[in-house]
Amino acid sequence: AQSVTQLDSQVPVFEEAPVELRCNYSSSVSVYLFWYVQYPNQGLQLLLKYLSGSTLVESINGFEAEFNKSQTSFHLRKPSVHISDTAEYFCAVSEIGGATNKLIFGTGTLLAVQP
Amino acid sequence: ETGVTQSPTHLIKTRGQQVTLRCSSQSGHNTVSWYQQALGQGPQFIFQYYREEENGRGNFPPRFSGLQFPNYSSELNVNALELDDSALYLCASSSGLNADTQYFGPGTRLTVL
Repeated sequence: AQSVTQLDSQVPVFEEAPVELRCNYSSSVSVYLFWYVQYPNQGLQLLLKYLSGSTLVESINGFEAEFNKSQTSFHLRKPSVHISDTAEYFCAVSEIGGATNKLIFGTGTLLAVQP
Repeated sequence: ETGVTQSPTHLIKTRGQQVTLRCSSQSGHNTVSWYQQALGQGPQFIFQYYREEENGRGNFPPRFSGLQFPNYSSELNVNALELDDSALYLCASSSGLNADTQYFGPGTRLTVL
């Protein structure tokens, strides 16, 4: 079985400051890793994913995440946040080659960007 | 290319009633998964359908059931509604069981009074 831990339920940050949202996972099998973003009253949008290869993955809007196998982490970072980045961010894993490709989510981190 | 759509957007029911939620998968996707997201929580996997058959189920009681149709659209049915069933219900589609990515619809907000 897999589990995902997002220790920070809320991260307040000022506009143009850097931010890191932490994600740790536990799994006895190999997994894919994802970050999804949820804006108020909306569904989930895929932000970025790690499947294989380079451990650093980037999104088109300036976010990046680094897969660290030894620490079983997949932290999300952005060097300079904008007001529009205010949203709930979910880290998730899915088992590679499993019977389903279901996602196991963390409890989410609310990124609150203040002017 | 049409993304994942869900209907209705919002729904209010009373305890004991039954509800049906609908999902149209993204074009070319034959796999649909349903998730329940309670307020302040991450989504929880309910079940998955692949080519009209249930393929995997989370820790939800049998009163949660589903269907997938030949065009790969799907329904989630919940019988004997309870207050705790109030949540955002998300549908996600993918291009197969081994597809690495699921794409989500906007969700249906169900309120049980």
